[in-house]
Amino acid sequence: QKEVEQDPGPLSVPEGAIVSLNCTYSNSAFQYFMWYRQYSRKGPELLMYTYSSGNKEDGRFTAQVDKSSKYISLFIRDSQPSDSATYLCAMKKTSYDKVIFGPGTSLSVIP
Amino acid sequence: GAGVSQSPSNKVTEKGKDVELRCDPISGHTALYWYRQSLGQGLEFLIYFQGNSAPDKSGLPSDRFSAERTGGSVSTLTIQRTQQEDSAVYLCASSLENLNYGYTFGSGTRLTVV
Repeated sequence: QKEVEQDPGPLSVPEGAIVSLNCTYSNSAFQYFMWYRQYSRKGPELLMYTYSSGNKEDGRFTAQVDKSSKYISLFIRDSQPSDSATYLCAMKKTSYDKVIFGPGTSLSVIP
Repeated sequence: GAGVSQSPSNKVTEKGKDVELRCDPISGHTALYWYRQSLGQGLEFLIYFQGNSAPDKSGLPSDRFSAERTGGSVSTLTIQRTQQEDSAVYLCASSLENLNYGYTFGSGTRLTVV
């Protein structure tokens, strides 16, 4: 079993839809949770960052962490064609630890 | 520099040849990481540098892979006697040592071994 699991998709939604992206993980030691967005032929860029359980909102993006279920989510409201990318969940145990990435979910937002 | 710079952006090499991939991190970032991304796979951790030392090299897949960092800045990842399974995008990232949140990645080097 991989440490971090993510549905690879591809996920295709119409413009304006609400998108839900999810990851599960197996190691309860993870405390820091991130979502990265990766456009084709580019490096990943940090989108959202949360510590421990709870919600965090930034514009159209909301990140949720449920440590009891070992489950994290990213919600995108009013999705735009420019949101079409691969979304990678990521996590680490301590602030000094290396980041472990999920395999990514490919998202296409159709105009 | 303003971002993490990697060179070359693309590299095609023959099986059995050695290759060197370069990473120039953001100025002042003391931590530097190398990851590998294969088609359909997630990012696979290779090695982590803090300054010039590598406290975690657990992800290097074989002794054909090595990396060094000099002057607390530029890093070079070397792959000796390349194999076709080494074909992947090699990504470098850097961060401030005491910064909790994620890394800044370069655009990667796309390595193709033919």
